[in-house]
Amino acid sequence: NAGVTQTPKFQVLKTGQSMTLQCAQDMNHEYMSWYRQDPGMGLRLIHYSVGAGITDQGEVPNGYNVSRSTTEDFPLRLLSAAPSQTSVYFCASSLRHILYEQYFGPGTRLTVT
Amino acid sequence: AQSVTQLGSHVSVSEGALVLLRCNYSSSVPPYLFWYVQYPNQGLQLLLKYTSAATLVKGINGFEAEFKKSETSFHLTKPSAHMSDAAEYFCAVSDRGSSNTGKLIFGQGTTLQVKP
Repeated sequence: NAGVTQTPKFQVLKTGQSMTLQCAQDMNHEYMSWYRQDPGMGLRLIHYSVGAGITDQGEVPNGYNVSRSTTEDFPLRLLSAAPSQTSVYFCASSLRHILYEQYFGPGTRLTVT
Repeated sequence: AQSVTQLGSHVSVSEGALVLLRCNYSSSVPPYLFWYVQYPNQGLQLLLKYTSAATLVKGINGFEAEFKKSETSFHLTKPSAHMSDAAEYFCAVSDRGSSNTGKLIFGQGTTLQVKP
């Protein structure tokens, strides 16, 4: 199994540009989520999905869109990038119940200038 | 809303010394509790979790954590630090009501430095 994969690893955007961060898992996990990690703030949940076709907002959803058309993929779209979205983004997946371990991808480091 | 607080953003210990990383949660109903570790330039990895089966939980790499309801704490310990333990550690919590959504709330993180 490849586990959770994320692309790209690094990205630089200009303010106002849009882009999609890709996330895929090959473990047939129902639950997938996106977090952003900022210094001194831990990880904050952006959006999550409990299955194909079902998504919901997390703690910091503004400026981001998600969709879940398949079990494997959970892309995160930045609609109009802002410098405040400079961060490291992690995708995670697990079997649905919280007692199952969440598996994290290697992260995408995004800089918005 | 559920929250978790990690006391100390940076902890420094000598190799072979006790490691103690502190975590307190806010819920009056005991939640599910987790410790994750992040090595440099990597994603997070689960160290251990509390599910109410036992108050002392053992995890990987010699770490353990004790759930104390009276103190609303879930501190992480390791008797003897190793250089390879240098990493960032996150405490996380989930409401039992959110157990079928997989949602986790993370603390701010504690960076562990191990000195030779």
